[in-house]
Amino acid sequence: EAQVTQNPRYLITVTGKKLTVTCSQNMNHEYMSWYRQDPGLGLRQIYYSMNVEVTDKGDVPEGYKVSRKEKRNFPLILESPSPNQTSLYFCASRTSGGYNEQFFGPGTRLTVL
Amino acid sequence: DQQVKQNSPSLSVQEGRISILNCDYTNSMFDYFLWYKKYPAEGPTFLISISSIKDKNEDGRFTVFLNKSAKHLSLHIVPSQPGDSAVYFCAASGSGSARQLTFGSGTQLTVLP
Repeated sequence: EAQVTQNPRYLITVTGKKLTVTCSQNMNHEYMSWYRQDPGLGLRQIYYSMNVEVTDKGDVPEGYKVSRKEKRNFPLILESPSPNQTSLYFCASRTSGGYNEQFFGPGTRLTVL
Repeated sequence: DQQVKQNSPSLSVQEGRISILNCDYTNSMFDYFLWYKKYPAEGPTFLISISSIKDKNEDGRFTVFLNKSAKHLSLHIVPSQPGDSAVYFCAASGSGSARQLTFGSGTQLTVLP
């Protein structure tokens, strides 16, 4: 089954404790992206990757890091989480050509205390 | 400044009637528009899209209309069904190589039986 998976689905942590949210897709997509969803703001892009070893900032990259060492994986790293990073996070992927139908993962609910 | 706006946070419609969800955008460089549907505890899923060279696209019960001069698009669902109850996000894509999506804040549609 074609899918985007994220782990963990739910995470409660404390300020400053480094964490990683994993994202994996099995569709051989070149493009992957991370979004956060906040009430009244919709989905905002954090980082994206056009292909392996190619990453770039989205609209809200502060406080986040990403890496793309393999085509299928695109982890999101919070080196020192803060309460304002409490949010619902989505990973997405699509092919590099054509228009932008992205496939989304199920989401990770992160709470930073 | 939000470039894609969904001014109605919620909409309630009777089963069998038409649902109309609206979206406005400010960036004239957007050339492709999409609607995503999101159920609780799931990621957004692609619903329907339209290119800026068209003014209408239809897929079964779903029709998207684009008014470029007004920078406005709408999603019509006819007839509405209780299973259509979800959050609907409007998104717009620019012409850059990354073709990043800019999302609206979403509209919660509730279809009453």
